[in-house]
Amino acid sequence: SQKIEQNSEALNIQEGKTATLTCNYTNYSPAYLQWYRQDPGRGPVFLLLIRENEKEKRKERLKVTFDTTLKQSLFHITASQPADSATYLCALSTNAGKSTFGDGTTLTVKP
Amino acid sequence: DVKVTQSSRYLVKRTGEKVFLECVQDMDHENMFWYRQDPGLGLRLIYFSYDVKMKEKGDIPEGYSVSREKKERFSLILESASTNQTSMYLCASSSGQTYNSPLHFGNGTRLTVT
Repeated sequence: SQKIEQNSEALNIQEGKTATLTCNYTNYSPAYLQWYRQDPGRGPVFLLLIRENEKEKRKERLKVTFDTTLKQSLFHITASQPADSATYLCALSTNAGKSTFGDGTTLTVKP
Repeated sequence: DVKVTQSSRYLVKRTGEKVFLECVQDMDHENMFWYRQDPGLGLRLIYFSYDVKMKEKGDIPEGYSVSREKKERFSLILESASTNQTSMYLCASSSGQTYNSPLHFGNGTRLTVT
């Protein structure tokens, strides 16, 4: 069956460092992959999308890589700030627009 | 900005009750989705709809039904609520114009079934 695994339930880092979150998947051939941010008590908010034929995507302090051979995506936040503390979800999507989500990684950035 | 509004933030219902969860989006999106979110299980797709009057089963449709009579509104129905349906329910919409449109979520309805 399809499986999406996001690294460690929680990630704690110091302000200013780079946070790296991992999303691994099996038994899936996604057309594209998305990353969302979710704050407590709120719905997920879209951050970045990367297609299967793209290796890397950037947006301000965010960078996403997508390796379809390794079946892995890495999500980086550079120069992290306490305001980046949240749960980050990866989602794999088919061309039909149906998305399957990972369980999320909770990031805490300490001042 | 897209706004997806869920009618209630918190609901408490009794076992066996019929429960309606309402969702409205204001961006004329074709696609609408219902997910539930549980600790350790992530977001799981219950039902989705690509157009008015159309519906498709997601990964966990058992015990649920949906209604989409108007493009902007997508309702989730629990015919006879059970305690294992206690969860956070999230509605989302996306544009059908491109296949890779991101999802826009509401802030969720936390349902407790006692």
